[in-house]
Amino acid sequence: GENVEQHPSTLSVQEGDSAVIKCTYSDSASNYFPWYKQELGKRPQLIIDIRSNVGEKKDQRIAVTLNKTAKHFSLHITETQPEDSAVYFCAASIGNQFYFGTGTSLTVIP
Amino acid sequence: EAGVAQSPRYKIIEKRQSVAFWCNPISGHATLYWYQQILGQGPKLLIQFQNNGVVDDSQLPKDRFSAERLKGVDSTLKIQPAKLEDSAVYLCASSLWGGATYEQYFGPGTRLTVT
Repeated sequence: GENVEQHPSTLSVQEGDSAVIKCTYSDSASNYFPWYKQELGKRPQLIIDIRSNVGEKKDQRIAVTLNKTAKHFSLHITETQPEDSAVYFCAASIGNQFYFGTGTSLTVIP
Repeated sequence: EAGVAQSPRYKIIEKRQSVAFWCNPISGHATLYWYQQILGQGPKLLIQFQNNGVVDDSQLPKDRFSAERLKGVDSTLKIQPAKLEDSAVYLCASSLWGGATYEQYFGPGTRLTVT
């Protein structure tokens, strides 16, 4: 089955700096790559996603890039703010089956 | 649109007791997932339903866990008997059937503590 690896497991940045989280996947059949933000005690919330026919997608301060050849995708957060502090999960999907990374705990230091 | 609903939100039980969780997916979502999320880890799929049929239950500990989705809508997940290592958040999610890709939406989860 699919295997998704996520790095780093923890990340601290100064407010205003950028944060980058990277994921790799193993199955070339994966065709949908969502990113979720999970605040403490809350449900994972979909923040951005990308489909395999697109190389990059941006939504305000958040962007995701996909390299299908290398089987990796990344989340980029610019101009980080304290409210960006949370755990972020990547996932790879084959049809309606989802495989999650282990999460990155992001701390934005004011 | 209304989101995925789950109850209860919190449950504390002693080991060897039984517990049941309920999930109501987003209206029209044919696919329903139950995940187990242990503190500090990503969600781990326990079982996936397509309508009322099981798509994947390969990681469900079938000696103690069971799940059903009657009429292809609501679902219940049961643990009997519970063990200490079952302490986790149990997340229900749903996605819409159709097309080549599927957006998945999560419920608020049930935090289970087994003492």
